[in-house]
Amino acid sequence: GAGVSQSPSNKVTEKGKDVELRCDPISGHTALYWYRQRLGQGLEFLIYFQGNSAPDKSGLPSDRFSAERTGESVSTLTIQRTQQEDSAVYLCASSLALWLERTDTQYFGPGTRLTVL
Amino acid sequence: TQLLEQSPQFLSIQEGENLTVYCNSSSVFSSLQWYRQEPGEGPVLLVTVVTGGEVKKLKRLTFQFGDARKDSSLHITAAQPGDTGLYLCAGEGGSNYKLTFGKGTLLTVNP
Repeated sequence: GAGVSQSPSNKVTEKGKDVELRCDPISGHTALYWYRQRLGQGLEFLIYFQGNSAPDKSGLPSDRFSAERTGESVSTLTIQRTQQEDSAVYLCASSLALWLERTDTQYFGPGTRLTVL
Repeated sequence: TQLLEQSPQFLSIQEGENLTVYCNSSSVFSSLQWYRQEPGEGPVLLVTVVTGGEVKKLKRLTFQFGDARKDSSLHITAAQPGDTGLYLCAGEGGSNYKLTFGKGTLLTVNP
């Protein structure tokens, strides 16, 4: 497909279990972003990748959260020992990183809805 | 920490009415974006405003960036049920890639 895809679309897990969320960005997009959207809230920045490196991890809520990107393509967000407060929609976006031209647009995937019981 | 306050939080109107939603901050942003998000989908970019005082029109939607680049508004003329969704504003400041999002305005347009 031409857009950003994410899997799974829904994930229900038990407290304390680990989960992996996957993002497939648009081909050729060098920048990739992860956001968290809690019910009734805006998007909360988690981490940003330029290529395979993550120059900004400042938004990760705790050391239970980690992310990696390989081949300048697929990214995985891992949450270890999930807690109920981790329940949210996790959104991934990608872009061409054209910041200098101010025409950069982030294209979002449909998100993964995570429910921690 | 840069914050964006959106108002109103919820808005329910009848088809054909006009409406304005607001996005305000005490911080200056180098640019501001408006997105629309439908249930089960990610946000979709509607417009980016860059210059203070800038006005952009997208069919029945009019976007304005405040002169001081701290606030923005979205005005919809003759709203239609297809306009229903969550409208989010997001500001770029400090880091080129990092966007600060407001909590959104949930708009419902009833037929």
